[in-house]
Amino acid sequence: GAGVSQSPSNKVTEKGKDVELRCDPISGHTALYWYRQSLGQGLEFLIYFQGNSAPDKSGLPSDRFSAERTGGSVSTLTIQRTQQEDSAVYLCASSLNPTRSNRLADFGPGTRLTVL
Amino acid sequence: RKEVEQDPGPFNVPEGATVAFNCTYSNSASQSFFWYRQDCRKEPKLLMSVYSSGNEDGRFTAQLNRASQYISLLIRDSKLSDSATYLCVVNGNTGTASKLTFGTGTRLQVTL
Repeated sequence: GAGVSQSPSNKVTEKGKDVELRCDPISGHTALYWYRQSLGQGLEFLIYFQGNSAPDKSGLPSDRFSAERTGGSVSTLTIQRTQQEDSAVYLCASSLNPTRSNRLADFGPGTRLTVL
Repeated sequence: RKEVEQDPGPFNVPEGATVAFNCTYSNSASQSFFWYRQDCRKEPKLLMSVYSSGNEDGRFTAQLNRASQYISLLIRDSKLSDSATYLCVVNGNTGTASKLTFGTGTRLQVTL
């Protein structure tokens, strides 16, 4: 079946511009996660959604970052006034309610963001 | 203290060697544990779950020590294709929500 999809796969933008990244989770997955990964580094947690609400947004690095999820499905991560240090791969993952399933999160292929 | 901690490595081992990674977690209420594998420039993929009694999948063995709050991954007879970053994942229950927390990964390089 269809996995997690993300768009765009690559985004090059100029410093100061806003960008919007999209994640389409697997149908029926209630939990959704955003991470980012800089080159050669580990996964940095950004935000976690359960349904449409975000019980944990502690990883958002600044108020330039925001995310929303509508209809318990698609999520968008918005970065305003992008900076060069925002350059990274932004990964989205979704899972069934982790408390009820031993099936773990499936990741999308990521969006590679480059801020010039 | 980080919620999930791993030695970043790299672990450089020859083909055929046995290698083990540990991962410590801080939330004693954590309910389930997993290992993911991430190849270079790819997304992470589930490798195996970690069960309380320990579990084995071919050359891979995972163990959980709740008393000391760590999990381990043992790889026997390493292959070149095992070269990757191994991520420890903890499902920590925070009230009614449940969050998956990833470690930053341990890099393994298997050489000839």
